[in-house]
This record gives sequence, structure tokens and C-alpha cells, in this order.
Amino acid sequence: GGIITQTPKFLIGQEGQKLTLKCQQNFNHDTMYWYRQDSGKGLRLIYYSITENDLQKGDLSEGYDASREKKSSFSLTVTSAQKNEMAVFLCASSIAGGQDTQYFGPGTRLLVL
Amino acid sequence: AQSVTQPDARVTVSEGASLQLRCKYSSSGTPYLFWYVQYPRQGLQLLLKYYSGDPVVQGVNGFEAEFSKSNSSFHLRKASVHWSDSAVYFCVLSAWVSNYNVLYFGSGTKLTVEP
Repeated sequence: GGIITQTPKFLIGQEGQKLTLKCQQNFNHDTMYWYRQDSGKGLRLIYYSITENDLQKGDLSEGYDASREKKSSFSLTVTSAQKNEMAVFLCASSIAGGQDTQYFGPGTRLLVL
Repeated sequence: AQSVTQPDARVTVSEGASLQLRCKYSSSGTPYLFWYVQYPRQGLQLLLKYYSGDPVVQGVNGFEAEFSKSNSSFHLRKASVHWSDSAVYFCVLSAWVSNYNVLYFGSGTKLTVEP
């Protein structure tokens, strides 16, 4: 088995601030994903990466940057936090892509004051 | 276009009762479908998946789902629910976008099991 770790668990930021969320996986999976989950809604894809140093934009990439410097880690940056923003960011990984099962981390909860 | 609709935002059932959570999908290609469950303060966990073959697929903890191409549906069922089944359930469609695979999530159904 493996595990996905997301840090921090909770993140409180100020409007306009640049905020970075980190994700680590020890599955040795090639593909990693960042999703945003808003209350009462499903997950929406922000970025994904099929291998080290690869980045692919999802539907919700505007306002975010991502970085995949190592196979095991995938970072997401909120480039300018929006006032009163509140969401959960979920990281996932899969062996490759295709229809492979995605495994999810516990999430980072963001609140912008 | 790809999309997933879960028409019931909240479902409440009594412990021991049967359960059906509804899911409708729209897919321009062959649908690959999943049900994930999210327990409070936890990440999503895979319950079951359908790729092809027998339209009834079995999952973990007594859950099963039935795929219907004619109805574009993938409903989740359980014969007898337990209080620990209280969680949010997501129906998910897998589709190819720009030569790579992306998951499309429904909005989720929050299940509450009453004692």
C-alpha cells in the first residue's frame, strides 16, 4: 500500500497573498492531480502531471500555478488569494492515466480572510 | 460533452433499510464509471468501477452499481445500510481529453443513516 500526504491540513491566508500547497505520494505513481472541492459541489480539476516536470492544465487552472520537480511530489500555488474564498484542495495520484484508479489525499482546507 | 448528474443532494435512510443513489451521465465515447465515497475529514475512496462486461458491478462493503447504456445511468445500491455508511458519495465519469484521461465528478449525494 501507499499513502498520499498533503500539507498543510488547514491554510488561512490574506487577500492577495500567494499560497502554496504541497502533496507527497509514496505509491511510485507516474500521474498526479490537483482538484478543488467547493461546498456542495463535485471536484474540479485544476492541474495534472503525467511525469516529473510535466504540467497539464485542467478546467480550473486560471489563478493557479503548479510544480512537479520530483516524481513523488506535486505542489499547487494560489497566485493571488481571493477574499472570503473557502475550498478544499485534494491531491490524487494514479499509476499512469487512462482509467487507472486515482488515490486521494485527505485534503487541504483553505480559508481566505 | 461529458457530464455527471446526481439529482439527490441529500438522502436519509434508516439503518437496515435498502439504498439507491442515482447517477446519470453524458458521454460522447465509451463511458468508464466509478463511485467514490468521502467520509468526514478524509480523502475520497474508491467503492467500485465499471469498464465493460456485466452491467452489475460489486464493490466494497456490500455496495453494487448497475450500468445502463439505454438510460445513461449508473445507480449505486446497497441491500442493508449501516450507520457507518453515512458519507458523501460521488459518481464519476472517466473521459479522454487531449490524449489524456480526466475524471468528471457529480456534485455528490450526502447520505445520512439514522439509527
